[in-house]
Amino acid sequence: NAGVTQTPKFQVLKTGQSMTLQCAQDMNHNSMYWYRQDPGMGLRLIYYSASEGTTDKGEVPNGYNVSRLNKREFSLRLESAAPSQTSVYFCASSEGQGVGYEQYFGPGTRLTVT
Amino acid sequence: LAKTTQPISMDSYEGQEVNITCSHNNIATNDYITWYQQFPSQGPRFIIQGYKTKVTNEVASLFIPADRKSSTLSLPRVSLSDTAVYYCLLLNTGFQKLVFGTGTRLLVSP
Repeated sequence: NAGVTQTPKFQVLKTGQSMTLQCAQDMNHNSMYWYRQDPGMGLRLIYYSASEGTTDKGEVPNGYNVSRLNKREFSLRLESAAPSQTSVYFCASSEGQGVGYEQYFGPGTRLTVT
Repeated sequence: LAKTTQPISMDSYEGQEVNITCSHNNIATNDYITWYQQFPSQGPRFIIQGYKTKVTNEVASLFIPADRKSSTLSLPRVSLSDTAVYYCLLLNTGFQKLVFGTGTRLLVSP
């Protein structure tokens, strides 16, 4: 099992460009999440999908959109990138929600917006 | 959401036991204490979770006193590969929005 995979690993964008970060999991998990991590900081939740067909905002959703394409895939889109979105983006998944359901994280996408 | 407080950094040497404390004075009755580990350039990884007293797994032990206002993650005989950031979080039943603070940066030296 590959676990949680993310593409691309690295990306450089110019201000105003758009892009989609892809995430897939092969663990048959119901819930998926997108986080960002700025240098020296903890992770902050951008959006999550509790189950296939649902998405909800997290702590820092502005400037992002998401799509839960199917049970396996959850994508994050930046419509008009800004330098403030320079960060490392992590996708995660869990079988369920709540105590006892640990989240499994992908390797991250390092995004730089110039 | 109840807040946790951890030391910013700790240093240790190979073979030593490391204890990382976490303060959570406003912990709620249905909060569980959960620890994640993050290696450089990787996503976090779940280590251990507990509600009260002591929990042990193959990686670590978690000690929680009766008042639950603090907890201690214990890593027995650390190695260089335990160098990482350790996050203490509070989770309860229902939807989990993991709230990561800045964590404790553990550096293990030879």
